[in-house]
Amino acid sequence: LAKTTQPISMDSYEGQEVNITCSHNNIATNDYITWYQQFPSQGPRFIIQGYKTKVTNEVASLFIPADRKSSTLSLPRVSLSDTAVYYCLVGPPYGNKLVFGAGTILRVKS
Amino acid sequence: DAGVIQSPRHEVTEMGQEVTLRCKPISGHNSLFWYRQTMMRGLELLIYFNNNVPIDDSGMPEDRFSAKMPNASFSTLKIQPSEPRDSAVYFCASSFGGLSSYEQYFGPGTRLTVT
Repeated sequence: LAKTTQPISMDSYEGQEVNITCSHNNIATNDYITWYQQFPSQGPRFIIQGYKTKVTNEVASLFIPADRKSSTLSLPRVSLSDTAVYYCLVGPPYGNKLVFGAGTILRVKS
Repeated sequence: DAGVIQSPRHEVTEMGQEVTLRCKPISGHNSLFWYRQTMMRGLELLIYFNNNVPIDDSGMPEDRFSAKMPNASFSTLKIQPSEPRDSAVYFCASSFGGLSSYEQYFGPGTRLTVT
């Protein structure tokens, strides 16, 4: 499984757009990029998954450049409730094995 | 659907006692996972099942830990005997295999404290 590197923490203010970048230089051809969100005292929650270019859903957007060695999770107009840990995971779509790193602690302030 | 259900939500026990954690996956999901989360080690995969069969238990810390999935709607994680270092939050997750297998649904977790 490809190793991922993401910032330990980020601070933002309500209403701002937040971009969290994850590096995965050793990503394999058949690897997908997946992001999870974990609120305090809850289990992680799937946010978004992508392979290349851009993916958007009702929660976030995921930008993946052509070389796929990094990806950026974009959260539009964050609110206090977006304060959470965000995990970037990289791996094949089969095998079912998720490996969580340390994640990025996002703190949204008023 | 009620989502993944775990019980108990909190468990406090003394060292040496047997602890059994329970999980009911989402109906229709064919994969089930047990994770452990601590401040020091983060979120670790302990074991996962596919179609009720254990596929990978390499994350199980030692023989004191065992997991079973007797049917598609129930799984247990047992620790016997328990030790203080087993104190953690234990999560159960389920998913439907295939391309969406990375979309796992986590339960609320069981907070285990071993004194």
